Amino acid sequence: QKEVEQDPGPLSVPEGAIVSLNCTYSNSAFQYFMWYRQYSRKGPELLMYTYSSGNKEDGRFTAQVDKSSKYISLFIRDSQPSDSATYLCAMSGDSGYSTLTFGKGTMLLVSP
Amino acid sequence: DAMVIQNPRYQVTQFGKPVTLSCSQTLNHNVMYWYQQKSSQAPKLLFHYYDKDFNNEADTPDNFQSRRPNTSFCFLDIRSPGLGDAAMYLCATSTLDGTEKLFFGSGTQLSVL
Repeated sequence: QKEVEQDPGPLSVPEGAIVSLNCTYSNSAFQYFMWYRQYSRKGPELLMYTYSSGNKEDGRFTAQVDKSSKYISLFIRDSQPSDSATYLCAMSGDSGYSTLTFGKGTMLLVSP
Repeated sequence: DAMVIQNPRYQVTQFGKPVTLSCSQTLNHNVMYWYQQKSSQAPKLLFHYYDKDFNNEADTPDNFQSRRPNTSFCFLDIRSPGLGDAAMYLCATSTLDGTEKLFFGSGTQLSVL
């Protein structure tokens, strides 16, 4: 079993749709959870950050962490064509250095 | 704006010809990382530096070397690139503030002919 599982997609939605992106993981030591957005041929940019369990909201984006189920989600409300990108989940334990474990990413396509 | 800058954005090299990729940062972060990312794959950590302390991942091939002459700069040297080394190479930084956040550059897309 891989440490982090993420459906690669692509996930195609119309503009304005609510998008749900998910990752599952196996390592119960993970406590830092992040979502990175990566546009084609660019580096990942940090989108959302959550420590331990719970929800975090930032504009149209909501991140949820359920440590009991080892499941994290990113919700995008009112999706826009500019949201079309690959979304990578990433997580780590308290290692001292940021040795993040990444998912493979889900490609999202939002059509006008 | 404080940032992580990678040069060049695109690099073409020949099979077996040494190549160097560069990264600079204005964030003044202690830790710098090199990742390799192939198409539709997760970024794979090659090395990281805490200041000048070098940490090599166990499965990073010997063909890959790195240098960090000062806080701001870090280089990735590929001594004899093979076709399998064609990938996006990502430089990232972090500070040991307990958040584990990484800040990435735009990457260098390496092609090997």
